[in-house]
Amino acid sequence: NAGVTQTPKFRVLKTGQSMTLLCAQDMNHEYMYWYRQDPGMGLRLIHYSVGEGTTAKGEVPDGYNVSRLKKQNFLLGLESAAPSQTSVYFCASSRGGYEQFFGPGTRLTVL
Amino acid sequence: KNEVEQSPQNLTAQEGEFITINCSYSVGISALHWLQQHPGGGIVSLFMLSSGKKKHGRLIATINIQEKHSSLHITASHPRDSAVYICAVWYDKIIFGKGTRLHILP
Repeated sequence: NAGVTQTPKFRVLKTGQSMTLLCAQDMNHEYMYWYRQDPGMGLRLIHYSVGEGTTAKGEVPDGYNVSRLKKQNFLLGLESAAPSQTSVYFCASSRGGYEQFFGPGTRLTVL
Repeated sequence: KNEVEQSPQNLTAQEGEFITINCSYSVGISALHWLQQHPGGGIVSLFMLSSGKKKHGRLIATINIQEKHSSLHITASHPRDSAVYICAVWYDKIIFGKGTRLHILP
């Protein structure tokens, strides 16, 4: 099993460009999450999903959109990237509200 | 005031030492999660607990719900334990601590 995978691993964008980060899990988990990690701060929840076709806002949702069209995939979109969105993005999944399994992260730089 | 406070922020110790990392929180929680973030950036789940104590190998996690406090202990520490250890608490949302950076010297 691959666990949780993220695509891409690295990306550099210019301000105003758009992109989509893909998270995939093969553990049949219901819950999926997108976090961002910035220096000196803890992980912060952007959006999450408790099942296929559902999404909900986390702590820092502004500037991001998500979709969960298939149970195994959770997409994070940036419609118009800003330098403040430079960060490391982690996806995670869990079976219900239990321990989370994390992907390897995506390092995004917005110039 | 941060809802989740970890101490110490940084810790350097000699191989073989007993390590304690603390996590205090200010809200009523349903569960607490200890995570390890490797120098390469990957995050691994260590424990999820809502009461008592859990042990896995050289790692022990305890939680005192009344005192709103949890500790992560590492016995016989080894340089490969060098990592950032993160505490996270669940109530109506999940809040992460800023992490404790542990460096074990050979």
